[in-house]
Amino acid sequence: ETGVTQSPTHLIKTRGQQVTLRCSSQSGHNTVSWYQQALGQGPQFIFQYYREEENGRGNFPPRFSGLQFPNYSSELNVNALELDDSALYLCASSGNRRGTEAFFGQGTRLTVV
Amino acid sequence: SQQGEEDPQALSIQEGENATMNCSYKTSINNLQWYRQNSGRGLVHLILIRSNEREKHSGRLRVTLDTSKKSSSLLITASRAADTASYFCATDGRGETSGSRLTFGEGTQLTVNP
Repeated sequence: ETGVTQSPTHLIKTRGQQVTLRCSSQSGHNTVSWYQQALGQGPQFIFQYYREEENGRGNFPPRFSGLQFPNYSSELNVNALELDDSALYLCASSGNRRGTEAFFGQGTRLTVV
Repeated sequence: SQQGEEDPQALSIQEGENATMNCSYKTSINNLQWYRQNSGRGLVHLILIRSNEREKHSGRLRVTLDTSKKSSSLLITASRAADTASYFCATDGRGETSGSRLTFGEGTQLTVNP
């Protein structure tokens, strides 16, 4: 158990819809990162939040957005869903020191039909 | 885009044997981490090795890092059927503070046969 929880665990959405995924970080961690993992591939960095501000973004379009709340929990929002958005979405929390390990949640499996 | 490559893509061994997985990366790093993933679920952190370290041990795990060759290896000794999983290396290259931002390889699927 990492102490990082994600909800929901599974989700099915229709192309064009919007989705919100949630993550509560491990106690004491103020940095949350989101990753997308397509089937058979390694996770890809979407963005990171530190103290409620976006702190770096990977190669994802603006329809991927996020929030971090004062308790350091976080949301990932995806608008105008596309079939290729079907993936496992992973949330990771870490401390703010450089080079700290990241603790991952169990992920949300999103299927877009 | 992926930072590097893992080799082999798939590995099948018998219980009790050792398993070695290799990882290569392209850019300068602060540290390299190895993760394990069971059946498309969450990632479990195994070990972190910093750029100024060459070797690290944790239980049955041994990780080496060669920054001159931009490569790392993960050795699992005396493997068990329960070690069956996908193994990923991930590099953390941030020069700034504020947590980890990881770039993952494609992973090695390890199967340990009883």
